[in-house]
Amino acid sequence: SQQGEEDPQALSIQEGENATMNCSYKTSINNLQWYRQNSGRGLVHLILIRSNEREKHSGRLRVTLDTSKKSSSLLITASRAADTASYFCATDANSGGGADGLTFGKGTHLIIQP
Amino acid sequence: EADIYQTPRYLVIGTGKKITLECSQTMGHDKMYWYQQDPGMELHLIHYSYGVNSTEKGDLSSESTVSRIRTEHFPLTLESARPSHTSQYLCASSALAGGPGSDTQYFGPGTRLTVL
Repeated sequence: SQQGEEDPQALSIQEGENATMNCSYKTSINNLQWYRQNSGRGLVHLILIRSNEREKHSGRLRVTLDTSKKSSSLLITASRAADTASYFCATDANSGGGADGLTFGKGTHLIIQP
Repeated sequence: EADIYQTPRYLVIGTGKKITLECSQTMGHDKMYWYQQDPGMELHLIHYSYGVNSTEKGDLSSESTVSRIRTEHFPLTLESARPSHTSQYLCASSALAGGPGSDTQYFGPGTRLTVL
């Protein structure tokens, strides 16, 4: 079953506004990562937050993690048209079994209108 | 920009053909992965490798096969392509667990495959 699930599925905001995306997951994790994907391209790693961390910043990005609720949020401040992309959360599960690699959600498609 | 390359970027091919999707990385990473992604959907892990001569199946069953003869090269092969194989295939790599930056995966640009 799917581990990460983002919401909303799609988000359209005006340039300059803040964008918030949420991710929920089901099992224990080692870390949670956010990736960005421009249309038809590969994924680019944005930020990683470990299970013992609650908040992390990188430039205009702010990520929070609540392991008790099994959820994370990605905030992009002062959005720009170039931020238009799909954003995926990915978990590195702490299950000890199953296949290796990250488990991705379906993503949030973010559109920044100029 | 990550040093991981995939060719071809786009491939349109007829049913029954054998195809190989190439993936190469110049970062010296031991771990490599293949994901399958349908438009607007999540990525599903179909194959991964810990290093040379190591190949494992991922969470999503796939009729494709992979090989890892060299560290930098992780090709994916479909012996007989079918329309159900139409998808985007993404290759990624990461350092071995425990090493610096080992949690991060670096992705290639993807190959968009269409089987007619």
